[in-house]
Amino acid sequence: DAKTTQPPSMDCAEGRAANLPCNHSTISGNEYVYWYRQIHSQGPQYIIHGLKNNETNEMASLIITEDRKSSTLILPHATLRDTAVYYCIVGRTGNQFYFGTGTSLTVIP
Amino acid sequence: ETGVTQTPRHLVMGMTNKKSLKCEQHLGHNAMYWYKQSAKKPLELMFVYNFKEQTENNSVPSRFSPECPNSSHLFLHLHTLQPEDSALYLCASSQDRVGTEAFFGQGTRLTVV
Repeated sequence: DAKTTQPPSMDCAEGRAANLPCNHSTISGNEYVYWYRQIHSQGPQYIIHGLKNNETNEMASLIITEDRKSSTLILPHATLRDTAVYYCIVGRTGNQFYFGTGTSLTVIP
Repeated sequence: ETGVTQTPRHLVMGMTNKKSLKCEQHLGHNAMYWYKQSAKKPLELMFVYNFKEQTENNSVPSRFSPECPNSSHLFLHLHTLQPEDSALYLCASSQDRVGTEAFFGQGTRLTVV
């Protein structure tokens, strides 16, 4: 699986959009980009995933660059409950995920 | 609630004990797996089962023994563990199909004393 690079930490003001970047320059053509988050001591929560096109669901939007070497997860209106570690993962199937260290997002009141 | 249930949520065991962790999913998924998360470390994939067959064992010590009796249930049998095995053990499930997401349980917090 392709490796990913994420900033170790970010802050975001409550109510503002949180934009979390991820670099995956070695991604191959059949690998999807997945985003998960983990609130302290809980199981990772699935957020969104995509292959080439931008995706949106009730939680977030995923923007993938045209060359697919990077992506951005957007939380449109961050709340205090969005404080968590966010993981960007690339992989082919849903059962071979290799997690990195992620980005620790802190939403500030 | 993700549809993946793990029991117990917390477990304290001695190094000579034998215990089992249980995972159950009713999502109709055909792949299940165990992850380990030690303090301040990334999640580590331990075992993968597809259609009840073990397809991945990432160099996990034999004191951890998985069992998958059917597509809905997964166990992790523990025996003669070490204090460094204390961690959060997470179960997940998914369809074994390209482009599908995995859903995680809330984990079992294991402490070996």
